[in-house]
Amino acid sequence: GQQLNQSPQSMFIQEGEDVSMNCTSSSIFNTWLWYKQDPGEGPVLLIALYKAGELTSNGRLTAQFGITRKDSFLNISASIPSDVGIYFCAGQALGGFKTNFGAGTRLFVKA
Amino acid sequence: DVKVTQSSRYLVKRTGEKVFLECVQDMDHENMFWYRQDPGLGLRLIYFSYDVKMKEKGDIPEGYSVSREKKERFSLILESASTNQTSMYLCASSLFKGQPQHFGDGTRLSIL
Repeated sequence: GQQLNQSPQSMFIQEGEDVSMNCTSSSIFNTWLWYKQDPGEGPVLLIALYKAGELTSNGRLTAQFGITRKDSFLNISASIPSDVGIYFCAGQALGGFKTNFGAGTRLFVKA
Repeated sequence: DVKVTQSSRYLVKRTGEKVFLECVQDMDHENMFWYRQDPGLGLRLIYFSYDVKMKEKGDIPEGYSVSREKKERFSLILESASTNQTSMYLCASSLFKGQPQHFGDGTRLSIL
């Protein structure tokens, strides 16, 4: 399956800072998803996006489905220590079973 | 809430053994998936199933097989375990095609 280009690979930030990460693809997707994985756990769905241009929030998290359908970004505002983990983007093509995942952004938050 | 349960969190097996990883979901989902997760490589799809007794190869099926005899249960089988199959294995399920997948907590498998 196609690997998405997710950046940055890792981020070291201070508590209270805002965070931005993004994901790009050479293919068009009809669904963009963002997951978070805590150490030793499975990924948990944070936000699902279904329309180009859609902007969706979940608490301090905001994600957008790019207009070209080939990219998405995730913002975290006012980071806290429990935001630590790996954030994955994922894309699904129309009518497909498979989900394509990015390699993940590892977030470290210093209190 | 969707619950995807993997039978073991940690497993240690020996080279050449036949290994079974079990996954159960309780939300009547149609589709189930097995991934392996390795540092720097993200999640790679091994096999998936879209119905009972139906299976499709993913991106890295070599050395693995699967079984789905009941809708709620999807098993991953390592026919003859090798050290390069040491990894984190994640099971996921989704209600229908195109719906987001929900993951279990993973099985960290070590092959010695």
